[in-house]
Amino acid sequence: DAGVTQSPTHLIKTRGQQVTLRCSPKSGHDTVSWYQQALGQGPQFIFQYYEEEERQRGNFPDRFSGHQFPNYSSELNVNALWLGDSALYLCASSLAPGRNHYGYTFGSGTRLTVV
Amino acid sequence: QQPVQSPQAVILREGEDAVINCSSSKALYSVHWYRQKHGEAPVFLMILLKGGEQKGHEKISASFNEKKQQSSLYLTASQLSYSGTYFCGTERSGGYQKVTFGIGTKLQVIP
Repeated sequence: DAGVTQSPTHLIKTRGQQVTLRCSPKSGHDTVSWYQQALGQGPQFIFQYYEEEERQRGNFPDRFSGHQFPNYSSELNVNALWLGDSALYLCASSLAPGRNHYGYTFGSGTRLTVV
Repeated sequence: QQPVQSPQAVILREGEDAVINCSSSKALYSVHWYRQKHGEAPVFLMILLKGGEQKGHEKISASFNEKKQQSSLYLTASQLSYSGTYFCGTERSGGYQKVTFGIGTKLQVIP
């Protein structure tokens, strides 16, 4: 049973560029959440997608946007990158609200470095 | 609002016990516990729901005091494999899940 798959694993971008990160949720999961984890910190919630709509959003600027596809996979887009965006980006999948809540399954993350 | 975890770091010898605490100033619907090893994804350990329901691994135990909005994770007879950073995450409602994580507790088990 495949878990959460994220791509790419590592990425180096230049300040001002744009980046797209991808996530395939665990089989059977239909909800995807994105987190940013800076070194030595806990994951910070970016947003959550369910039924192809953004359902919850954390305190991140509009430069951060996302999308969910009919097959439940998701993308995170970040525009106008700046140095502070360097972090590990984690995708977490789960079952929809109201269903058997068994926590998140996290992917291994994408390490983004902005230079 | 970010939950507060304590202690921030702890070193144990194999076989010793430890307790990690998590507290929130807001009413909670659930508390999650995850362990993250260096360079790896966080791994789900336990979820404690308002009303007393718990789901998680057999060898992990935790408590959730709804009145105090506090949770504790109990690690007994620690093994080297328990080393890692433990995060608690809190949900304030049972709807769309926005889990807010604490800063983490670094646990190191030594022989």
